[in-house]
Formats: sequence, C-alpha cells, structure tokens
Amino acid sequence: AQSVTQLGSHVSVSEGALVLLRCNYSSSVPPYLFWYVQYPNQGLQLLLKYTSAATLVKGINGFEAEFKKSETSFHLTKPSAHMSDAAEYFCAVSLNAGNNRKLIWGLGTSLAVNP
Amino acid sequence: ETGVTQSPTHLIKTRGQQVTLRCSSQSGHNTVSWYQQALGQGPQFIFQYYREEENGRGNFPPRFSGLQFPNYSSELNVNALELDDSALYLCASSLEGLGSLGTGELFFGEGSRLTVL
Repeated sequence: AQSVTQLGSHVSVSEGALVLLRCNYSSSVPPYLFWYVQYPNQGLQLLLKYTSAATLVKGINGFEAEFKKSETSFHLTKPSAHMSDAAEYFCAVSLNAGNNRKLIWGLGTSLAVNP
Repeated sequence: ETGVTQSPTHLIKTRGQQVTLRCSSQSGHNTVSWYQQALGQGPQFIFQYYREEENGRGNFPPRFSGLQFPNYSSELNVNALELDDSALYLCASSLEGLGSLGTGELFFGEGSRLTVL
C-alpha cells in the first residue's frame, strides 16, 4: 500500500535560513509526488510536482524538491526562508485507483519563520 | 481558464440542521473530490465524483452525500449536523479517466468554513 510520512509536524527556522521539510513515501510503482502549501484560512496550493521527468523539481516561491528513488524521499527545500513562507506544507503521493488517481496525504508540517 | 470556486465561503449552522456546499470545477476538469479539514489537521478525503458518479469514499457516515452535475460542478450535503462537523470543506477538481494524462494533481478551491453551534 502506498503511504506518505512527513517527519516533523512542526519546523521552526530563522529568516534567511535553509528550509528543509522531509517527506518519505512508500510505493510499489514509480510514483507521482506533490507538495502543497496552505496559508492560514486558505485552500491548498500546488508548490511543485514530480511526474517522472527531472528528479530535481523547481516550484513556486523559490522552493524545490528532489526525488530520490533509492531513499524513497521527496524532501522540500528552500535556500533562504522568508517570513511569508510560514504556512502548513503537505506532501502527497498519487495512487492509481481504477480509471482515476487519488492522492494519499501526509499529516503536514507547520513551518514557522522567526525574525 | 477559471479556477475552482466554492460557495459559501463561511456559514454558521446549528446542530441537527442540514447544509449544502457548492463547487464549480476548473474548466476542462471532469472529477471533483471533497475533503474535510478540521482546525490544525490535514485534509480528510470524503468522496470523489467522476462523470456524475461517486468514485471512492473515505470514512464518513452516509449523512455526508454528494452530487455531480453534467457540467461537472458538485455539491456536498451534510444532514443532521453535529458539532464535530465544524471544519473547512475543500473541493478539488482534476482531469481523470482512461486516456487522460491525469497525474492525480488536484486543483483546490479556497474552501467553505462551516461552524456548527
């Protein structure tokens, strides 16, 4: 069965510091992987996605993630945190279900950015 | 292209009442998924509609029901509201089905925040 594990429900960094949010997945087939961001009182917005092309994926707002098959990981990084990056981040893997695909979600990581 | 829109954005109900939430899918999408997100939690899958039929359901009781219309818009209905139904309800659309290039990527609306008193 496919699943997603996000290590660390809360991460706190200083403004300007590296952001690293961890995501590990389990999948019996090559997966599609996603990172979504949710700002307070808003819906979820796609940050980036891996769909079997380049293993290093660049997303919006300076975020990127690297698909590492050997480590079954898809960690999200940003070189320099900004105050506006404070939000909830969700990793998800796409599960093939009949004609369609469904997303399996991690529990989320809340990112705090300190001045 | 227009994105996913949800209505109403906020509403307050009392226990035992019924509520209908509406969602217009993104242009060209044929699938709508509904999620419940309680405060401080991740999204919980309620159900998905594909071509007007329910196509998968999460661990929610039958008082949560839905519809999808020929134009692929959708409704979520909740009967006999309980206090624990207070949450942000998220609608997401996607393009799915045999022959599509769907990856499972979901496009979300801003949500409908339901408060049950």
